[in-house]
Amino acid sequence: DQQVKQNSPSLSVQEGRISILNCDYTNSMFDYFLWYKKYPAEGPTFLISISSIKDKNEDGRFTVFLNKSAKHLSLHIVPSQPGDSAVYFCAARTSGGSNYKLTFGKGTLLTVNP
Amino acid sequence: NAGVTQTPKFQVLKTGQSMTLQCAQDMNHEYMSWYRQDPGMGLRLIHYSVGAGITDQGEVPNGYNVSRSTTEDFPLRLLSAAPSQTSVYFCASSPGQRGGTQYFGPGTRLLVL
Repeated sequence: DQQVKQNSPSLSVQEGRISILNCDYTNSMFDYFLWYKKYPAEGPTFLISISSIKDKNEDGRFTVFLNKSAKHLSLHIVPSQPGDSAVYFCAARTSGGSNYKLTFGKGTLLTVNP
Repeated sequence: NAGVTQTPKFQVLKTGQSMTLQCAQDMNHEYMSWYRQDPGMGLRLIHYSVGAGITDQGEVPNGYNVSRSTTEDFPLRLLSAAPSQTSVYFCASSPGQRGGTQYFGPGTRLLVL
């Protein structure tokens, strides 16, 4: 049972335009969400996160939106740059009890064309 | 700081062989974890540790052992390698014990023949 879903395996956008990466989750106990970026032959790097008490978090060109009622979050990159081309992973975690595990989606490959 | 380091970068094993993947971090992080990444599968948690002497299973623990004798090191042991364990392995660490924002190593690519 896949609790974190990234339904788009790939996305292609033009440089300067907006990139929107989507993520859906099924576990209502998730209350902390993260996005990671991964280049080939490197480990994932943390990009941005959001707690369930917020519906938006912004960091420079990156904004994450959370819609708890729809169990949906999205990552917006504006403007997109060729260096943003990478695989983006959505991840989620619960903060209660003894669950210290991050659950990752399968990733979306973003290609930003010059 | 070197961050999270992993050795080796690449390894070829024969079925049935054993080996240990090394992971070390110099950030004094309490939480450490191991993931494997397979094509189309994303990152799946193998084992994790919330501190020295404390380990627990993740999503795909079978065929792997871990121990955490120090804060810095978290080795992953394959006791009898199988072709299904061909994958890229990532170690990660996080401050605190809740495994929030995790810092990943560069990965170990393992091929089991």
